[in-house]
Amino acid sequence: SYELTQPPSVSVSPGQTARITCSGDALPKKYAYWYQQRSGQAPVLVIYDDSKRPSGIPERFSGSSSGTMATLTISGAQVEDEADYYCYSTDSSGNHRVFGGGTKLTVL
Amino acid sequence: QVQLVQSGSELKKPGASVKVSCKASGYTFTNYAMNWVRQAPGQGLEWLGWINTDTGNPTYAQGFAGRFVFSLATSVSTAYLQISSLKAEDTAVYYCARETNTLPFDYWGQGTLVTVSS
Repeated sequence: SYELTQPPSVSVSPGQTARITCSGDALPKKYAYWYQQRSGQAPVLVIYDDSKRPSGIPERFSGSSSGTMATLTISGAQVEDEADYYCYSTDSSGNHRVFGGGTKLTVL
Repeated sequence: QVQLVQSGSELKKPGASVKVSCKASGYTFTNYAMNWVRQAPGQGLEWLGWINTDTGNPTYAQGFAGRFVFSLATSVSTAYLQISSLKAEDTAVYYCARETNTLPFDYWGQGTLVTVSS
């Protein structure tokens, strides 16, 4: 079955740049999406189509994709960005949809 | 505004069944597919599948056909997830999430905790 691989944790100080990666064999052909999940809350879409930002999402959130890796970048991370982040995509057929294992971002 | 409101927490014994509802408002229900995602305690997100709210045709992720059933009541803009023969490992928060043609999971329900314990 198809898998997306993320690092379990990333830690930065406030104001630093946080980068969270997501690797998957189909990412050269399929878009990556990123979801933020704060503790006890439902996920929220923060990046779609690799690099687009939904309305209401701060500009410090950006996304990119190259080859088999997609990256979520938070420029000038703030304490309120502390959350779990999940990438999401599909396999090359589009039939199997998967989330990455999630990355816990700590900002302190 | 778009809202997905789910039913409340459930405590069930192994072998029982549970039905979780997801009531949509603020948009035309049949224009957008509905997905189901679960999250076991302390674990990541797991996609269960989706249902075409126009045709009622469900698609299940690998391993979830059989005990998991998606259904609709379009007259009241509500999607349902029914799980039969519950097991302890089904203990999780279950989310419904809307999908557009271009955006997967743009709106989410608040989640429903299903606890399976004897």
